[in-house]
Amino acid sequence: AQRVTQPEKLLSVFKGAPVELKCNYSYSGSPELFWYVQYSRQRLQLLLRHISRESIKGFTADLNKGETSFHLKKPFAQEEDSAMYYCALNPSNTGKLIFGQGTTLQVKP
Amino acid sequence: DTGVSQDPRHKITKRGQNVTFRCDPISEHNRLYWYRQTLGQGPEFLTYFQNEAQLEKSRLLSDRFSAERPKGSFSTLEIQRTEQGDSAMYLCASSRARGKVYNEQFFGPGTRLTVL
Repeated sequence: AQRVTQPEKLLSVFKGAPVELKCNYSYSGSPELFWYVQYSRQRLQLLLRHISRESIKGFTADLNKGETSFHLKKPFAQEEDSAMYYCALNPSNTGKLIFGQGTTLQVKP
Repeated sequence: DTGVSQDPRHKITKRGQNVTFRCDPISEHNRLYWYRQTLGQGPEFLTYFQNEAQLEKSRLLSDRFSAERPKGSFSTLEIQRTEQGDSAMYLCASSRARGKVYNEQFFGPGTRLTVL
């Protein structure tokens, strides 16, 4: 079965602390994975994709096929990072994204 | 172009009524996707179009749901005989697909449906 799991509904950290948002996937083929973010009162937008292997707003995510994970990390959280984060899988390159349940990141001052 | 737009933004209806939502994608985008999002969950894929052709429908899309994209531009999603379980946020997204290369999907603001 194709599935994305984000085990934490809420992650609360203080400004400057490291952040790791967990994502695990289930997919038999070669996965294509993404992180989407939704800031308050804004629409869902792409944060990063594993293929590009780039850092966006200080966030990085590494695909670990052995652990079937794609965790999102940032060494020093900022208050403006507070948002809902969704991990998503694109099976068979169709664009029919399978999303996890989402994790709310709350960065306290 | 201000991105993907959806209309209406909110819809309240009574059980049993029909509702129709509209999505206007980014103008040069040939793919259009519909997702549904219920409270506390991530978006779930419903259906997608490449130009005017509907390529796939999720099993989540019962016979009461129909989607069209008549000229390969805007799309409509109709729900007939609404049920309380249809209450959700309906999201539209569009992308510019080139062959097998996946390109970023841009999402609209969504239409929030409440069925009383």
